[in-house]
Amino acid sequence: EAQVTQNPRYLITVTGKKLTVTCSQNMNHEYMSWYRQDPGLGLRQIYYSMNVEVTDKGDVPEGYKVSRKEKRNFPLILESPSPNQTSLYFCASSLSRHPNTEAFFGQGTRLTVV
Amino acid sequence: DQQVKQNSPSLSVQEGRISILNCDYTNSMFDYFLWYKKYPAEGPTFLISISSIKDKNEDGRFTVFLNKSAKHLSLHIVPSQPGDSAVYFCAASAQSNYQLIWGAGTKLIIKP
Repeated sequence: EAQVTQNPRYLITVTGKKLTVTCSQNMNHEYMSWYRQDPGLGLRQIYYSMNVEVTDKGDVPEGYKVSRKEKRNFPLILESPSPNQTSLYFCASSLSRHPNTEAFFGQGTRLTVV
Repeated sequence: DQQVKQNSPSLSVQEGRISILNCDYTNSMFDYFLWYKKYPAEGPTFLISISSIKDKNEDGRFTVFLNKSAKHLSLHIVPSQPGDSAVYFCAASAQSNYQLIWGAGTKLIIKP
């Protein structure tokens, strides 16, 4: 089954404690991205990757890191989480960056930073 | 400043009737528009899209209309079914960078 898998689904952590949210896709997609969703706002892109070892900042990259060492995996790293990073996070993948290629989303990771 | 706006946070429609979800945008460079649907505890899934060279695109019960002069698009669902109850996101992109800009979503509730 074609899917994007994020882990964990829920996470509560304390300020400053490094964490990683994993994302994996099994569709051999080249393009992957991370979004955050906050109340009253649309999804905002954090980082994206056009291919292995190629990553770039989205609209809200501050406080986040990513890596793309393999095509299927695109982890999101919060080196020193802060309460303003409490949010719902989605990973997505698609064949290309062009919007006419359907994006497939993971189920989301709800992160709370206290 | 939000470039893509969905001004109705929620909408309630009787089963069998038409649901109309609206989306406004401010950037005249946007040339591709999409609607995604999201159920609770799931990620968004693609529903329908439209290019700026068209003013209408239809897929079964779903039709998207684009009014470029008004910078407005709408999603029509006819007839509405209980399974259509979800949050609907409008998104837009420009050919210059293909970055998707998303609206805040409209929660559609279909009443029996």
